[in-house]
Parts: sequence; C-alpha cells; structure tokens
Amino acid sequence: TQLLEQSPQFLSIQEGENLTVYCNSSSVFSSLQWYRQEPGEGPVLLVTVVTGGEVKKLKRLTFQFGDARKDSSLHITAAQPGDTGLYLCAGGSQAGTALIFGKGTTLSVSS
Amino acid sequence: ETGVTQSPTHLIKTRGQQVTLRCSSQSGHNTVSWYQQALGQGPQFIFQYYREEENGRGNFPPRFSGLQFPNYSSELNVNALELDDSALYLCASSLFRNEKLFFGSGTQLSVL
Repeated sequence: TQLLEQSPQFLSIQEGENLTVYCNSSSVFSSLQWYRQEPGEGPVLLVTVVTGGEVKKLKRLTFQFGDARKDSSLHITAAQPGDTGLYLCAGGSQAGTALIFGKGTTLSVSS
Repeated sequence: ETGVTQSPTHLIKTRGQQVTLRCSSQSGHNTVSWYQQALGQGPQFIFQYYREEENGRGNFPPRFSGLQFPNYSSELNVNALELDDSALYLCASSLFRNEKLFFGSGTQLSVL
C-alpha cells in the first residue's frame, strides 16, 4: 500500500517567516502534486513535479521532488496571511487513475 | 469555461438510508473521480469513471457505487449509510490519464 506522510501536521507562524512542509514515502511515484485547500472548498492544484530532483517555483513557493521520486518539499518564503490553508501532497501512479493523498499540513499565518 | 459543480452542498441523513451525490465535470473533461475526505484527513480515492465505465476503484465496499452519463456528469450513490460515512465527498474532473485534477467544492454529508 502506497502511503504519503506529511510533516508537520500543524504549523502556526507569523507573517514574514519562512517555512518548509515535507511529504515522504517509501514508494516511488511517477509524479507528485501539491494542492491547497481552504475551508468549505475543494483542493486547488498548485504544481506537479515529475522528474527526480526537479525544482519548481511559484512566486514565493518553491517545490522540490526528491531524486528518487519518493519525497517532496514545499518551501514558502516570507509567508503571508493569504497563504493560510491546508496543504496536501498527492502521488500519482503510472496507471493514471488514483491519486494517493497525504493527510495534509494545516498552515496558519497571522499578521 | 464552467468549473466542476457538485450538488447538494450539504446533506444530513440517518444511518441505513441511501444517498445520491451529483457532479458536473468541467467543460472538455471526460473523466470523473470521486474522493472521500474525512475530518482531518486527506482525500481518499473511491473510484474513477471514463466513458461511462468504472476505471479504477479504491478500498471502498460495494455499497459505494457510481454512474457516469454521456455528458460526462456523474453520480455517487451510497447505500445503507453508516456513521463513518460522514465526510466531505469531492468530485474531480480531468482528461483521461491526465493527473491534473480539477475539484469541485464538495458535498458535506452528515450521517446521524
């Protein structure tokens, strides 16, 4: 059974601080996706990484896929209150059907 | 371009009842996936539909069933509801074999 472990589970920081969220597995994934979900809404895709070692940047967010395609990280620079939400990582398989989601990291950024 | 829409947004049922949730996929998408998200958990894959047929199923009992219609909209049916079925049910549309999913806002189901 493929599992994705996210850490930390909760993160509460002040505006302007930097943070990193981790997503780890013992399984290899063909791709790794990061989503952000706000209360009462569905997850919204932020990025997809497919190549081991790949780094993608989305404004103040930096995503990295591990060399062995088993882990990923999300780094946020100078966090803002608008970054508050549940961050989910999800692993894709070659079959292209189910995504395996981690339990998520709940981020709270206060001003 | 319309996004993914789900109905109803909230639903309260009692144990043993049956429920039907509906999803309209995003324009141009031919695949619909359903996920269950319990409180404090990540979404769990229920099943996927492509060309009106089930194309992959997660670890859910047969009382969870679905349909996809020719216009690519979909239904999720749950029979003999149990208390543990209380969750946010998410529908996601995509192109077949494309892992980029577009989620609806979900249906919050409470089973009492």
